[in-house]
Amino acid sequence: SQQGEEDPQALSIQEGENATMNCSYKTSINNLQWYRQNSGRGLVHLILIRSNEREKHSGRLRVTLDTSKKSSSLLITASRAADTASYFCATDAGRGNTPLVFGKGTRLSVIA
Amino acid sequence: NAGVMQNPRHLVRRRGQEARLRCSPMKGHSHVYWYRQLPEEGLKFMVYLQKENIIDESGMPKERFSAEFPKEGPSILRIQQVVRGDSAAYFCASSPPGQGAAGELFFGEGSRLTVL
Repeated sequence: SQQGEEDPQALSIQEGENATMNCSYKTSINNLQWYRQNSGRGLVHLILIRSNEREKHSGRLRVTLDTSKKSSSLLITASRAADTASYFCATDAGRGNTPLVFGKGTRLSVIA
Repeated sequence: NAGVMQNPRHLVRRRGQEARLRCSPMKGHSHVYWYRQLPEEGLKFMVYLQKENIIDESGMPKERFSAEFPKEGPSILRIQQVVRGDSAAYFCASSPPGQGAAGELFFGEGSRLTVL
């Protein structure tokens, strides 16, 4: 079953605007990760946030985690056309050595 | 090239044939994961292996699918007697020793299987 669910499913914005994507999950976690996938390509890791962290930054990316609401958000600031891709959250289900479970993703289109 | 290498990138098979997908992990990585992605969907976990050992195959269909990661050579995902529903992109990922399955994964570019 799907652990993480991203929202919205699709997002279209103008270049320079900020893009916010959300992820909700069902069980407790040790960490949550965000990945990016360009069309026809493999996934690329963006950022990992641990369950005891509330916010993390990496360049133009800002990730928040609210374990009480079982949700995370990914903010991309000052978006560029090259940010057009699908973005997935992935969680570890919080128990032992279990593989990551991915959501269905948010398809982001940044229009130049 | 130090990345995860998958081949073939594209594979076409007729119903009933066999498909073999290969994955060489990043140098120094000891764990391999296979995921399947249907169009417009997320990745679904299939199997997690280390050299000569299957650690978790809870996502593998019970029939026709098998995976191995031999002591020498790439990991192989084998699909016997393919059906149209097997058409998908199959992604391999790897991780370094000691990290566990829930850390950062490094993905290959995928193998896209089309069953006619």
